[in-house]
Amino acid sequence: AQSVTQLDSQVPVFEEAPVELRCNYSSSVSVYLFWYVQYPNQGLQLLLKYLSGSTLVKGINGFEAEFNKSQTSFHLRKPSVHISDTAEYFCAVSDKRNTPLVFGKGTRLSVIA
Amino acid sequence: DVKVTQSSRYLVKRTGEKVFLECVQDMDHENMFWYRQDPGLGLRLIYFSYDVKMKEKGDIPEGYSVSREKKERFSLILESASTNQTSMYLCASSAPRSTEAFFGQGTRLTVV
Repeated sequence: AQSVTQLDSQVPVFEEAPVELRCNYSSSVSVYLFWYVQYPNQGLQLLLKYLSGSTLVKGINGFEAEFNKSQTSFHLRKPSVHISDTAEYFCAVSDKRNTPLVFGKGTRLSVIA
Repeated sequence: DVKVTQSSRYLVKRTGEKVFLECVQDMDHENMFWYRQDPGLGLRLIYFSYDVKMKEKGDIPEGYSVSREKKERFSLILESASTNQTSMYLCASSAPRSTEAFFGQGTRLTVV
């Protein structure tokens, strides 16, 4: 069964600084990878996804992630964060279509003015 | 846009009550899911369904059941609520042969 590890439970960062949220998954022949964001008292919203093709994936709100098969990683990055990026971020994986996503435990990003 | 609607944002129930959490999606999705979210534990899958009247257990089904009588509606049932079921419950749906899930706003359930 797939598993996902988000290496940092909390990440504080100053406004306009770059940020990287780390995600590793258990190995599989093929994977589908996702990052979701959850703002306070909200459901989850898709940030970006990797299904196939280019390993660099661009998402909404200036976020991007890179799929690295050899390191089984899918780290999320943003070059300059805003206060409004304060939220919880979840990495998720599936190893085939039409199966439920497996989620990591989440990383709470706090952007400090 | 896909819309997944959960009937309540906040619920407070007493121990031993039977609790129904309702979820409706408007995109004709075949697949529907119930997750539970707790601090430090992320999202854990309770039950899912790929078709009407069909259900499969997820990772933590104990204490829960589900009902899918219509394609658009997926209900989570707590037969006898307990305090350890105090949590945020998230419903999601996805299209056939897809993996991307669309989520509702969540129901924060408190059992006292």
